[in-house]
Amino acid sequence: LAKTTQPISMDSYEGQEVNITCSHNNIATNDYITWYQQFPSQGPRFIIQGYKTKVTNEVASLFIPADRKSSTLSLPRVSLSDTAVYYCLVGPSGAGRRALTFGSGTRLQVQP
Amino acid sequence: EPEVTQTPSHQVTQMGQEVILRCVPISNHLYFYWYRQILGQKVEFLVSFYNNEISEKSEIFDDQFSVERPDGSNFTLKIRSTKLEDSAMYFCASSEGQGLRFTDTQYFGPGTRLTVL
Repeated sequence: LAKTTQPISMDSYEGQEVNITCSHNNIATNDYITWYQQFPSQGPRFIIQGYKTKVTNEVASLFIPADRKSSTLSLPRVSLSDTAVYYCLVGPSGAGRRALTFGSGTRLQVQP
Repeated sequence: EPEVTQTPSHQVTQMGQEVILRCVPISNHLYFYWYRQILGQKVEFLVSFYNNEISEKSEIFDDQFSVERPDGSNFTLKIRSTKLEDSAMYFCASSEGQGLRFTDTQYFGPGTRLTVL
């Protein structure tokens, strides 16, 4: 599995855009990039997944450069309720390993 | 929106006792998982289950653990003889797994907090 590196923590204020970058230098051709969010005492929640370029949904955007060695999760106009731990996961889609390997994630603290 | 549900939300047990944690995966999902998270630590994979058998398990999932799908809706994790170090949040997850190519998007339940005294 590709190793991922992301900041341990980030601070932001309500209304700001937050960008969390994840490095995955040894990403494989069939690997997808997936981001999960976890609130305290809750299970991880899928946010977004992508393979290349840009993916956007109602919650976030995911930017993936052409070399795919990194990715950036963008949260527009964060609110206090976006305070959570955000995990970047890289792994193959399709048949094969299905165990998700979570790192330590990025702890985002949104201040008023 | 369909959800994974888990019961109980909190289980307190004595060391050496057996516990069964229950999960109801999303109805059309085919793959089921258990993860655990010790307080302040990472989410750790325990086991995945497909077609009524274990498809993958981690080193944590030793002989003290077992999983079962006793009927068409429930998915259970049993710990035969609990230890203090089994105290953790246990999360059930499920995914679709249909077709030749599918995402590994897993949907997690709210968790069961297991406290072993």
